[in-house]
Amino acid sequence: GAGVSQTPSNKVTEKGKYVELRCDPISGHTALYWYRQSLGQGPEFLIYFQGTGAADDSGLPNDRFFAVRPEGSVSTLKIQRTERGDSAVYLCASSFRPGTEAFFGQGTRLTVV
Amino acid sequence: GQNIDQPTEMTATEGAIVQINCTYQTSGFNGLFWYQQHAGEAPTFLSYNVLDGLEEKGRFSSFLSRSKGYSYLLLKELQMKDSASYLCAVRDLGFQKLVFGTGTRLLVSP
Repeated sequence: GAGVSQTPSNKVTEKGKYVELRCDPISGHTALYWYRQSLGQGPEFLIYFQGTGAADDSGLPNDRFFAVRPEGSVSTLKIQRTERGDSAVYLCASSFRPGTEAFFGQGTRLTVV
Repeated sequence: GQNIDQPTEMTATEGAIVQINCTYQTSGFNGLFWYQQHAGEAPTFLSYNVLDGLEEKGRFSSFLSRSKGYSYLLLKELQMKDSASYLCAVRDLGFQKLVFGTGTRLLVSP
């Protein structure tokens, strides 16, 4: 596609439920990043993929968070046993190769009630 | 670790010039980025500096001093549409991730 696509755009879930957030990067981009942004804050790094592998997952807050990119394109961020503190906008970005300009998607606004 | 500071909010008048400062203290440095983010939208790339000096791109310029851990974004001939948050981000040396500041919310008034 023309840009980074994220689905759903909005997700409301109950505390304790499992959610999956999807990111479809720009075609041909090998690097993919997940960030989380709370209101009034800058994006906070979660995980970075180079191809299919997670090159840096140091930003994942705990083991309830997991992400995959099985074919080196689409990525899914998975959150188990959601908590109200997980409410935020989850942003995905991709770049042609590591270190080049990253293009962001519109984000998924997750609300845990 | 990384620490990035920028003012929380700034106001300016249409047609004026505004400078948004960013200071950083990082364990590694591999370039500094500026992004613009309108409310409810994705961040969009504005500029990138890896060497000291000024990079100019139309109405927007960005400056970097690595020895001082300092950058600024200069916006000229301000327009109402420039009202947005401006995010300063430092690229990590090893793994290419971006570490963002909290952003500066710029309000341009008529």
